[in-house]
Amino acid sequence: KAGVTQTPRYLIKTRGQQVTLSCSPISGHRSVSWYQQTPGQGLQFLFEYFSETQRNKGNFPGRFSGRQFSNSRSEMNVSTLELGDSALYLCASSLSPGVTEAFFGQGTRLTVV
Amino acid sequence: DAKTTQPPSMDCAEGRAANLPCNHSTISGNEYVYWYRQIHSQGPQYIIHGLKNNETNEMASLIITEDRKSSTLILPHATLRDTAVYYCIVRVVAGGGSNYKLTFGKGTLLTVNP
Repeated sequence: KAGVTQTPRYLIKTRGQQVTLSCSPISGHRSVSWYQQTPGQGLQFLFEYFSETQRNKGNFPGRFSGRQFSNSRSEMNVSTLELGDSALYLCASSLSPGVTEAFFGQGTRLTVV
Repeated sequence: DAKTTQPPSMDCAEGRAANLPCNHSTISGNEYVYWYRQIHSQGPQYIIHGLKNNETNEMASLIITEDRKSSTLILPHATLRDTAVYYCIVRVVAGGGSNYKLTFGKGTLLTVNP
């Protein structure tokens, strides 16, 4: 079966712009989590959605937001982009929160210039 | 989530067993030990998890000490494709609360040499 799909794979944006990233989980998976990976901070948890509800949120400013649709697909949005938002954004899906195995997508590489 | 401590890097010869240690001395009774790995420029990949018994699957074996304060991930016959950053994570599973996020440390860069 198809894995976790993230689009786009690469993105270049200018400071001050906003961006929307998309994640399609594995069919049947209802939990989607987002992570940010940078060389300095490593992998950091952004938020988790289940049944269209945000269940958990990491320590990121309000410029970072997300949502989940009824088909479990998820989007995350970053407004007023800063240079420090340049990172690999990873999405992970699992059957439900707390299920042992999370499957990650290939990520979206965002570069802010 | 309990903190974990891993060596920053390790080397292993191709075909030999790779033994990756992890210290989690503050682990709670309801926290499991998970291992993920990340090959360069890819998303993390689940390897194995366990609570207190040793576990084995097609990828690796997980050995957890009796006091659960440390564990070792064993790749029995390492190949060049096993070169990756390996993350040891502890967290609760369903029923232990609502905080199911994975907290990644810096992991161990395993380099498998020909």
